[in-house]
Amino acid sequence: ILNVEQSPQSLHVQEGDSTNFTCSFPSSNFYALHWYRWETAKSPEALFVMTLNGDEKKKGRISATLNTKEGYSYLYIKGSQPEDSATYLCALRFNNAGNMLTFGGGTRLMVKP
Amino acid sequence: DGGITQSPKYLFRKEGQNVTLSCEQNLNHDAMYWYRQDPGQGLRLIYYSQIVNDFQKGDIAEGYSVSREKKESFPLTVTSAQKNPTAFYLCASSTVFEKLFFGSGTQLSVL
Repeated sequence: ILNVEQSPQSLHVQEGDSTNFTCSFPSSNFYALHWYRWETAKSPEALFVMTLNGDEKKKGRISATLNTKEGYSYLYIKGSQPEDSATYLCALRFNNAGNMLTFGGGTRLMVKP
Repeated sequence: DGGITQSPKYLFRKEGQNVTLSCEQNLNHDAMYWYRQDPGQGLRLIYYSQIVNDFQKGDIAEGYSVSREKKESFPLTVTSAQKNPTAFYLCASSTVFEKLFFGSGTQLSVL
């Protein structure tokens, strides 16, 4: 089993704060990295799919970077809003694992108004 | 509307009983997946299928079985061999190697 680690496990911030969290993974056999947002009582939704070292993706106030050589990705949220409260999941596809997607434990973000 | 439908939303299993969770998609995706979530943990892969009549075990397949007779459908059976079945089960689908689309989940509990 290939480990995907996310930190921190949970995070409480005030509305307007910017925040970031980390996804760490074994750098060998990397194929692609996914970020998903999972709001309470809803289904997880894809934010980004990233494949290239140095890749940066942006969607509104949320952005992500990828470093495949050192095995990490950062997710940034600028000016957090209460509606950003969710669990953020990172998932990896590895070259030797077919179509399997391995998830990390998630970071639970709570934004206080 | 295109999407993934899981049913039922809540399911109760008696000891020794097999139960089946339904997952249907109309997104024309080739790949389908079953994940399990336990409190405080991430999603763990039970089974996945890349094409009709073919499926692969994930990290925690013991005590579960699946079938993929139609492209649209990927039911999961929780057998009596699964000694700790209480969990939240998510079904997902994708075009191969692309992002996943998830259903709304089934909460399974043991009576």
